[in-house]
Amino acid sequence: NFMLTQPHSVSESPGKTVTISCTASGGSISTNYVQWYQQRPGGAPTTVIYEDDQRPSGVPDRFAGSIDSSSNSASLTISGLKPEDEADYYCQSYDDSEPWVFGGGTKLTVL
Amino acid sequence: EVQLVESGGGLVQPGGSLRLSCAASGFTLSNYVIYWVRQAPGKGLEWVSGINGSGKSTYYADFVKGRFTMSRDTPKNTLYLQMSSLAVEDTATYYCVKGVRPIFGGIIAQYWGQGTLVTVSS
Repeated sequence: NFMLTQPHSVSESPGKTVTISCTASGGSISTNYVQWYQQRPGGAPTTVIYEDDQRPSGVPDRFAGSIDSSSNSASLTISGLKPEDEADYYCQSYDDSEPWVFGGGTKLTVL
Repeated sequence: EVQLVESGGGLVQPGGSLRLSCAASGFTLSNYVIYWVRQAPGKGLEWVSGINGSGKSTYYADFVKGRFTMSRDTPKNTLYLQMSSLAVEDTATYYCVKGVRPIFGGIIAQYWGQGTLVTVSS
């Protein structure tokens, strides 16, 4: 089974850069697109990255997505951290048998 | 500007029915697949259903097959999720989500609505 694993939590200071990883098992991370969703406490999810590295309209370029085939992982990098970036972040992809494979989520704390 | 506005949630008894609506604007429905995704309180996101851009094909997660029906009214730019035989486990916030292409395949969510809460309880 294709699975995605994320760190439970990360923290960093305002203005700094943080990277959240999403490691695939049971398949290659580069076979299908990876998306990243942000969910602030009590709020609806929003897409910050889709198709590996694309930003929807309105998402600042402080958010960047990438794929590393050598480590079979995807990464979400947030630069110039702001307090409003504090949220849960989920990676998501799919495979031939499952249209929706979801990471467990990473809680980002902006100290 | 893409907008998705859900409505129709509420309290329903186990075994009951409910119809959710999603009013879409800012894009052409026929060009994109639309999904329903739900989130139970304190839990992760679950894909529920999808309809392709033509409106002719629908897709469902196994746990709702035979109970939920997704449909679309193109002139009204509105999507629906008819839910029946509801169980306590269906309690969740239901989100309407826009995809990036017209054909259903792997789910790629681009824009989300604010959600509507469905509570199944006696």
